Amino acid sequence: GQQLNQSPQSMFIQEGEDVSMNCTSSSIFNTWLWYKQDPGEGPVLLIALYKAGELTSNGRLTAQFGITRKDSFLNISASIPSDVGIYFCAGRRAIQGAQKLVFGQGTRLTINP
Amino acid sequence: DTEVTQTPKHLVMGMTNKKSLKCEQHMGHRAMYWYKQKAKKPPELMFVYSYEKLSINESVPSRFSPECPNSSLLNLHLHALQPEDSALYLCASSQVLGVWAFFGQGTRLTVV
Repeated sequence: GQQLNQSPQSMFIQEGEDVSMNCTSSSIFNTWLWYKQDPGEGPVLLIALYKAGELTSNGRLTAQFGITRKDSFLNISASIPSDVGIYFCAGRRAIQGAQKLVFGQGTRLTINP
Repeated sequence: DTEVTQTPKHLVMGMTNKKSLKCEQHMGHRAMYWYKQKAKKPPELMFVYSYEKLSINESVPSRFSPECPNSSLLNLHLHALQPEDSALYLCASSQVLGVWAFFGQGTRLTVV
């Protein structure tokens, strides 16, 4: 099925550094979502973006919905050890009376203390 | 209550066994979902229920059988699975066309 292009696939950074990751798509989505997943757990919703051009913050996290509705980025400022995990972007579209999420391949974040 | 609860958290089953995964939410959401996630991969959609009716089946093999007995419960019945079906199975719920809800914590399934 369709997938989003998420980059980078992995990041190795020092604690305190800023992080940036992005997703692009060949098709339009009406909502972009960013999730974080820890090993063996379900994805946890970090930020949801509903309008093209929207810039939303959640603590040290900032995400933007691209103007073309085909891309989104997530920034994490001043990283801390608990930021370690896999980050997924997801585009959402309505389909057959429900919603369908299309996921990126994930960005694995590793932080050196 | 803003949670999606899945049981069991871990399950080991033989290829001839029959087992069921359960999912429950009390947020009044009328759309519920099953996803399958292999290691180091994103979740893949399996089934969608909307208003307790099966809305989407993403060509999932018949050894997986979903059931939505009421608006709060979603089951996934498993029979004659293969080792390659070992994965993390995630349930999620949402308003039909509204805000997306949280995923459950998943059931780690191992088929031996």
